[in-house]
Amino acid sequence: ETGVTQTPRHLVMGMTNKKSLKCEQHLGHNAMYWYKQSAKKPLELMFVYSLEERVENNSVPSRFSPECPNSSHLFLHLHTLQPEDSALYLCASSQASGQGRFSDTQYFGPGTRLTVL
Amino acid sequence: KQEVTQIPAALSVPEGENLVLNCSFTDSAIYNLQWFRQDPGKGLTSLLLIQSSQREQTSGRLNASLDKSSGRSTLYIAASQPGDSATYLCAVQGYSTLTFGKGTMLLVSP
Repeated sequence: ETGVTQTPRHLVMGMTNKKSLKCEQHLGHNAMYWYKQSAKKPLELMFVYSLEERVENNSVPSRFSPECPNSSHLFLHLHTLQPEDSALYLCASSQASGQGRFSDTQYFGPGTRLTVL
Repeated sequence: KQEVTQIPAALSVPEGENLVLNCSFTDSAIYNLQWFRQDPGKGLTSLLLIQSSQREQTSGRLNASLDKSSGRSTLYIAASQPGDSATYLCAVQGYSTLTFGKGTMLLVSP
């Protein structure tokens, strides 16, 4: 496997389910990101793990919970989601240099298409 | 709060045309500006990254310019090809933020 991989590619879940999205990067990077892409809206940064720091977008609801056990793996735990959470969830990684959190090119995975019924 | 606007929202051109995509942002205090390409149902591919101290970057048939003081960037695509059909996204970086525009959907017909 090369680059950034995400599993599953598609997920359908009910509002009471608990599921997790997985991201793995094979690029030796030290920063990983979760993004949400909804129809007709700009791409929204949800969480960043960079240089052992976690940065989160304060507008993200607590029903989304990230986990980054090491620099190569990133999870997004989902529980009691709402239909409006249906979107494409993208993971990315980069080699952060410390000069601003996103100063280096980000490499994206193919995304997980999530549908909440 | 940073806002990024991309014009036009959609563009359809015949193969071979040179074209310009526009991106504007409201806060000029940025670290860099990036252009990405996204194919339908897929992730983003980074095309060009312009640091705030730079005026332009070139890669093949692509040229991106940055005028930080006026809050504008353009992506120039020379001799467009059907394979260029995709959505092009502009993103600007603040210290702890990365703000995207909604994108320009480009269709290049043979």
